[in-house]
Amino acid sequence: AQTVTQSQPEMSVQEAETVTLSCTYDTSENNYYLFWYKQPPSRQMILVIRQEAYKQQNATENRFSVNFQKAAKSFSLKISDSQLGDTAMYFCPPTGNQFYFGTGTSLTVIP
Amino acid sequence: DGGITQSPKYLFRKEGQNVTLSCEQNLNHDAMYWYRQDPGQGLRLIYYSQIVNDFQKGDIAEGYSVSREKKESFPLTVTSAQKNPTAFYLCASSGTGYEKLFFGSGTQLSVL
Repeated sequence: AQTVTQSQPEMSVQEAETVTLSCTYDTSENNYYLFWYKQPPSRQMILVIRQEAYKQQNATENRFSVNFQKAAKSFSLKISDSQLGDTAMYFCPPTGNQFYFGTGTSLTVIP
Repeated sequence: DGGITQSPKYLFRKEGQNVTLSCEQNLNHDAMYWYRQDPGQGLRLIYYSQIVNDFQKGDIAEGYSVSREKKESFPLTVTSAQKNPTAFYLCASSGTGYEKLFFGSGTQLSVL
């Protein structure tokens, strides 16, 4: 079974600033991936970044990076130099046969 | 190009009517999923299938049915038993290692 908790339902950030979205999860899998997906107003789901749980090194993808704390089952997303196009819902599902998504965090980038 | 195609983009259901949402993928993925999303909410799992001719209920399967007769196709039927079907429906697929979830562009279902 999998669960996901995103404790920040809504967040906002000024353009060009840095913001961190938090996520805690639980999974019964031994080997798994963690993801951050964004869903902009177009409602298309877009993969932002992926972390392999067996890797200690935190994943980085351009302005996006994660802080993965496996023992604490924590997986936060840091967005640097925020852009207006980052305005979206963000989800952090752990992998598994069900991909449980949770309620998400709504991020608004303010010009 | 490989991907997932959902159709139609918009669908309207009359009272007491069953409607079917189409989902087709050419990624050669074994696993396929259906999610429901209400406005401003997260994604809730309706059904998923890990292999042809087999599928499992998700968290909100009541009022929905699926079939998986072909690897490429995973249609979702919203039956008349689903009393509140208005929502955005997303189909997704994944390879056997669950290393990434690929999404279709969604179907908006509304009740007339």
